[in-house]
Amino acid sequence: QKEVEQNSGPLSVPEGAIASLNCTYSDRGSQSFFWYRQYSGKSPELIMFIYSNGDKEDGRFTAQLNKASQYVSLLIRDSQPSDSATYLCAVRDTSGTYKYIFGTGTRLKVLA
Amino acid sequence: EAGVTQSPTHLIKTRGQQATLRCSPISGHTSVYWYQQALGLGLQFLLWYDEGEERNRGNFPPRFSGRQFPNYSSELNVNALELEDSALYLCASSLGGGELFFGEGSRLTVL
Repeated sequence: QKEVEQNSGPLSVPEGAIASLNCTYSDRGSQSFFWYRQYSGKSPELIMFIYSNGDKEDGRFTAQLNKASQYVSLLIRDSQPSDSATYLCAVRDTSGTYKYIFGTGTRLKVLA
Repeated sequence: EAGVTQSPTHLIKTRGQQATLRCSPISGHTSVYWYQQALGLGLQFLLWYDEGEERNRGNFPPRFSGRQFPNYSSELNVNALELEDSALYLCASSLGGGELFFGEGSRLTVL
């Protein structure tokens, strides 16, 4: 059973701080990784995707991928109260099924 | 450009009834995915359709079924509804195994 694991949180950070969200995955052959933000009662919204080892930056968000250690992380700089949400990590299955496996999400609370 | 659209937004049914949920993907996207998200839980993969064919299904009973039409829109049918089917049903589309884009979801309540 291929798995994607995240700490459920809540992760509480003060406004303006860096929030660090982590995700580990079991399928060593995975190639595609995604971060989604989901506000309570709403649908997931794509924040970033990353395919290669290293860092990828987009505005206040940085995704980090380490395939050797099988983890992917999301850093949110200058955290704002509006960033308070659940962050979902997703990994695309490599078995040819194109199934996307989601973690259960980390709840982030940014304190004003 | 329109995103993924789902209907209805809310649906209330009673046990034993059938529910039909609909999804229109982003223009040009050929793959449609369905996920179930029960309250407070994660996304559970239901079904994947591509080019009109069912390509994969998750660990759900056969009363969960669907289809994809020639215009790539899709519908999800849930027969013999049970109380535990109450959830947010999310449709997402992608092109060629790239990023998934979600619709707003259909909230199904089974009484």
